[in-house]
Amino acid sequence: EAQVTQNPRYLITVTGKKLTVTCSQNMNHEYMSWYRQDPGLGLRQIYYSMNVEVTDKGDVPEGYKVSRKEKRNFPLILESPSPNQTSLYFCASSFMLAEHSYEQYFGPGTRLTVT
Amino acid sequence: KQEVTQIPAALSVPEGENLVLNCSFTDSAIYNLQWFRQDPGKGLTSLLLIQSSQREQTSGRLNASLDKSSGRSTLYIAASQPGDSATYLCAVFLRVTGNQFYFGTGTSLTVIP
Repeated sequence: EAQVTQNPRYLITVTGKKLTVTCSQNMNHEYMSWYRQDPGLGLRQIYYSMNVEVTDKGDVPEGYKVSRKEKRNFPLILESPSPNQTSLYFCASSFMLAEHSYEQYFGPGTRLTVT
Repeated sequence: KQEVTQIPAALSVPEGENLVLNCSFTDSAIYNLQWFRQDPGKGLTSLLLIQSSQREQTSGRLNASLDKSSGRSTLYIAASQPGDSATYLCAVFLRVTGNQFYFGTGTSLTVIP
């Protein structure tokens, strides 16, 4: 089954304790991204990757790191989480329908609480 | 920076009614626009995608239109059902400083049996 998987689905942690949220897709998509979703603000892109070893900042990259060593995986790293990073996080992968046109598929989400 | 707006933020209709959800964007140089559905506590499910060269797309009871020049898209839902209750999100893909997606804040739809 074609899918985007994220782990863990739920995470409660404390300020400053490094964590990684994994994301994997089995559709051979080149484009992958991370979003956070907050009430009233919608989904905002944190980082995206057009291909292996290529990553770019989205609109809200502060406090996050990513890496893209393999096509299928795109982990999100919070080196020192803070309470303002409490949010619902989504990973998405995208394939190119046509030149410059990408269709997104989303993972189930990770609810992160930082106390 | 691209701004994507969805009005109204919430909508409640009786079952069977036809309805229109709106999405507007400030930068008309988009490559495509995608409509999603999100159920409470769940991920996003893709409904329809319209490429910049297209005017509309249809899937079952759903029809999405795109008017790039005016910066608008509409999602038309025919003969609404209680199972259509969800939040509907639109997202545009464009290349300004990078290849990014921008989302609206969504319209929460409730279909009353």
